[in-house]
Order: sequence, then C-alpha cells, then structure tokens
Amino acid sequence: SYEVTQPPSVSVSPGQTASITCSGDKLGNKYASWYQQKSGQSPVLVIFQDNKRPSGIPERFSGSNSGNTATLTISGTQAMDEADYYCQAWDSYTYVFGSGTKVTVL
Amino acid sequence: QLQLQESGPGLMKPSETLSLTCTVSGGSISSSSYYWGWIRQPPGKGLEWIGSIYYRGSTYNNPSLKSRVTMSVDTSKNQFSLQLSSVTAADTALYFCATQLGMEVAGRFDFWGQGTLVTVSS
Repeated sequence: SYEVTQPPSVSVSPGQTASITCSGDKLGNKYASWYQQKSGQSPVLVIFQDNKRPSGIPERFSGSNSGNTATLTISGTQAMDEADYYCQAWDSYTYVFGSGTKVTVL
Repeated sequence: QLQLQESGPGLMKPSETLSLTCTVSGGSISSSSYYWGWIRQPPGKGLEWIGSIYYRGSTYNNPSLKSRVTMSVDTSKNQFSLQLSSVTAADTALYFCATQLGMEVAGRFDFWGQGTLVTVSS
C-alpha cells in the first residue's frame, strides 16, 4: 500500500519560515493536501491541489509538490501556527495521510 | 456555512458493530458538490480515512477496512451514517465526519465535524 512520510517534528522561531515535507513514491504526479490540527481541535484544510489555499487561510501558508516530495511552507510563522500538520494524497482508490509533523514555535 | 455533528455510542464491547451518524446543517446532503467522508484518529496518533459516500449512495472505502464498513445516506434527515462491524480495541479512536470536495486524486476534506470518541473495551 502507498505511504507518505513526514518528519515527526519541526521547530521554528517566530517570524521565521517553517518547511514541512511529505515524501512518497512519485508524489509529484498526484495532488497533495495539507491539514492543520491544533491541540484538541478538528483538522483544518490549509492547502489543496498542491498549492491552493481555501478561503480564509492566511497567505503565509503555501505549498509545492514535485518529484517525490510535497512541501508545506509557513512564512513569517506565528505562535498561533503551532500545531500538528498532516499531508494527504490519493493512491490506488485510497486516501492516505502522513503520520503528522508537530510544528513548535519557540 | 456547513456544519457537521457526529453522534455515536461512546463505549462499546469487542465484536459489536459500531454505528455512527453525521448530521449536516447549513446545507443539503443532496448537494452534487460533495462526497461525505469518515476519518478516524486513534488517541495520540494520526488520521486514517475510512470511506466516502455520495448522496446517491455510491461509496468507496479504505481497502484495509472494506469488508467491515457499511455507509448510507438518509436525505430526508440530512444525515449520513457509518457502520463498522466486529470492532476490537484497535478501533478505539476519535471518529470525524467531513465534507469531501473533488474526487479521487483531487479529493480533499474541507469541513470537519468536532469528532466523537469511540472506546472499545471489555
């Protein structure tokens, strides 16, 4: 079965850029979506179709996808961005989620 | 804006069948724009897609759970439901319902319910 891999954690200083990767075989040939889940809350879609932002998502969230890696970038990271982030893709009639990356804003 | 609310049993015993319902408000479950999905999250772990259903009844499920999963839609109540048979402790999780925009490779889950915790224990 298809798998996507994320780093368990990423640390970033306020105002700096956080990059979260999601790796999978030929992931660049698929669409990647990204979800933010704050502690005790439901996930929120922040990026879909690799680089599109849903209405209401700040411009500091951006995405890219090429080769075997999709990347979620948070520019000018704020304390409110501290959360778990999950990537999601589709393969063989299954939606697959990564294991999640905890972003800590130090 | 769409809102989704899950309801379920809370505590179950092994081998029982889990039944969950998601009530949709602020929109129609018969909308051609959406599929309706179920995703679960074991305590302290990541997300797992269970399956998705269209209001006309077509479904697709995670192959790892397929034989145990049944989904349905009740358009008169603006609800959709999930049944998971023969539950074990491994099915203990927070169960979310969500709207799914797009299909297959373009699919993503853009509105989520608050989730309902299901615990399987003897």
